[in-house]
Amino acid sequence: GQSLEQPSEVTAVEGAIVQINCTYQTSGFYGLSWYQQHDGGAPTFLSYNGLDGLEETGRFSSFLSRSDSYGYLLLQELQMKDSASYFCAVRDQGQAGTALIFGKGTTLSVSS
Amino acid sequence: EADIYQTPRYLVIGTGKKITLECSQTMGHDKMYWYQQDPGMELHLIHYSYGVNSTEKGDLSSESTVSRIRTEHFPLTLESARPSHTSQYLCASSTPGGAESPLHFGNGTRLTVT
Repeated sequence: GQSLEQPSEVTAVEGAIVQINCTYQTSGFYGLSWYQQHDGGAPTFLSYNGLDGLEETGRFSSFLSRSDSYGYLLLQELQMKDSASYFCAVRDQGQAGTALIFGKGTTLSVSS
Repeated sequence: EADIYQTPRYLVIGTGKKITLECSQTMGHDKMYWYQQDPGMELHLIHYSYGVNSTEKGDLSSESTVSRIRTEHFPLTLESARPSHTSQYLCASSTPGGAESPLHFGNGTRLTVT
């Protein structure tokens, strides 16, 4: 089985930096992914960490520590359009392979 | 960007009806998935497939069935809709790569069962 924990809500102002944490428990680990979902929209892929360390993609970075079963998504220079839900996700080893299991999501509200 | 299409976008249907939610992708992805998501909540895996004639149940099979007769097509069927099935259903696909292969989601079908 697997479980993921992330904060339910985070608030910040434009231009700020925010970190969304994710802890996980899995029977086998195949990497940690992050997805963004705007209200009423489809989830979109942000980043993937298979190994320990920091991955940077523009204003967004993602970090993984496999020994701590922990990762985070770092959003810098926040903009109003970053207001969305952010989900961490891990692969679960099913009978025929792996499928992606999502956390409950963190709602980020960015204000001016 | 992956092209993955879901129809209908919105559906209101009465209890007991049989419905099929359509999902098609034009990227040739082997892996396809169905997730259920209530507003503001997490995504629950319902079914997934790793290729033609391959289907697996997720944690939330939701009294639904799927089929994978063609690579590009992965329909979800509810034999007898109930109000508890009211939710958003998201279809996704990915390449047969490893764990790093991202999921590409369709825009979803918002189902209301009255």
